[in-house]
Amino acid sequence: NAGVTQTPKFRVLKTGQSMTLLCAQDMNHEYMYWYRQDPGMGLRLIHYSVGEGTTAKGEVPDGYNVSRLKKQNFLLGLESAAPSQTSVYFCASMTENRLNTEAFFGQGTRLTVV
Amino acid sequence: GENVEQHPSTLSVQEGDSAVIKCTYSDSASNYFPWYKQELGKGPQLIIDIRSNVGEKKDQRIAVTLNKTAKHFSLHITETQPEDSAVYFCAARFANTGNQFYFGTGTSLTVIP
Repeated sequence: NAGVTQTPKFRVLKTGQSMTLLCAQDMNHEYMYWYRQDPGMGLRLIHYSVGEGTTAKGEVPDGYNVSRLKKQNFLLGLESAAPSQTSVYFCASMTENRLNTEAFFGQGTRLTVV
Repeated sequence: GENVEQHPSTLSVQEGDSAVIKCTYSDSASNYFPWYKQELGKGPQLIIDIRSNVGEKKDQRIAVTLNKTAKHFSLHITETQPEDSAVYFCAARFANTGNQFYFGTGTSLTVIP
């Protein structure tokens, strides 16, 4: 059981380049989230999804797009990378039932934009 | 907008002492409050959580208390050990914004042997 897997783990981009971060979960969870983590600012929500085919904006959505074409995958895209997007990105998935509401996190993607 | 405030940002304790981290939240409709531990180079991992219908929950050396009236909740770690050293995050699920999780800014806990 892999849980939540993020690819890639590290990436260096030049300003203006584009890339897609992939998050895959094998737990059949409905909810998926993308966060960025910056020193002293905790985890800030970029976008999230409450189910296949749905996406919504979080706290800091500008400069990012997402897609959830398949329930198990949540993609985060940067169309034109900027140095301000240098960060560590975390994906999380969650289900909710009477007994359990735990969110599981991936190991993170460290992105540097030069 | 909605937010979660966390204090202190850094905390150092002697091994065996207790550590307390406090968080406040803005959305009175929030109903779920997890605490996460993050070790260097890893993703956050859930250590304990509490729902809005209870005031306290305990799991061995870790406990969480919730005061819904004051909109604050706290993490208590007793008999701290060096392996408790990590960054701890509180979070709140904001029911009014589609189950979004908002996180505090983190507390870096150091347990001195």
